[in-house]
Amino acid sequence: EAGVVQSPRYKIIEKKQPVAFWCNPISGHNTLYWYRQNLGQGPELLIRYENEEAVDDSQLPKDRFSAERLKGVDSTLKIQPAELGDSAVYLCASSPFFEGGGDEQFFGPGTRLTVL
Amino acid sequence: AQRVTQPEKLLSVFKGAPVELKCNYSYSGSPELFWYVQYSRQRLQLLLRHISRESIKGFTADLNKGETSFHLKKPFAQEEDSAMYYCALLTPFGGKSTFGDGTKLTVKP
Repeated sequence: EAGVVQSPRYKIIEKKQPVAFWCNPISGHNTLYWYRQNLGQGPELLIRYENEEAVDDSQLPKDRFSAERLKGVDSTLKIQPAELGDSAVYLCASSPFFEGGGDEQFFGPGTRLTVL
Repeated sequence: AQRVTQPEKLLSVFKGAPVELKCNYSYSGSPELFWYVQYSRQRLQLLLRHISRESIKGFTADLNKGETSFHLKKPFAQEEDSAMYYCALLTPFGGKSTFGDGTKLTVKP
């Protein structure tokens, strides 16, 4: 079992360029999370999916960020255009169920984004 | 809105000494609390959760609803415990996930 897979692992772009991150969760996990982690801080939730439905995107900056989870499996997070302040590690996590309660989140290795 | 506070960014102890990593939370309902750990060059992983009431790698954590705390404790720290520790809260029905900013634990030989 490879666990949660994310790509790319590192990305360097210039400001105003677009960038996309991809996540493949653990097979059978219905819940998928995208987090942003700034240096010296904890993960900050951007969006949570239950299957293909975005059930919590209240902290997603919708003017420049978008996400999708087609068919309720893989997910893509996009930033367009990127700003200097978007430099961070973007984490994907998946969870086996969510039914009236929470469960363990399994994290991917993250994508480290540097915006120049 | 819920909040998780880890007051210590850095914590250093000697091997064999007791260690306590503090976590305070604010949430009006009954949340689920977790401790996650990130060892050097590894991904975040679950250490323990309050509902299981188990000890993992010698660590325990008790949920104190009166003080809204979920401190992580180990009576005898080991060098391999050196890592980043994050306290996390999950709301029971909305499923909103909130992490603290982490405590970096260093266990000196």
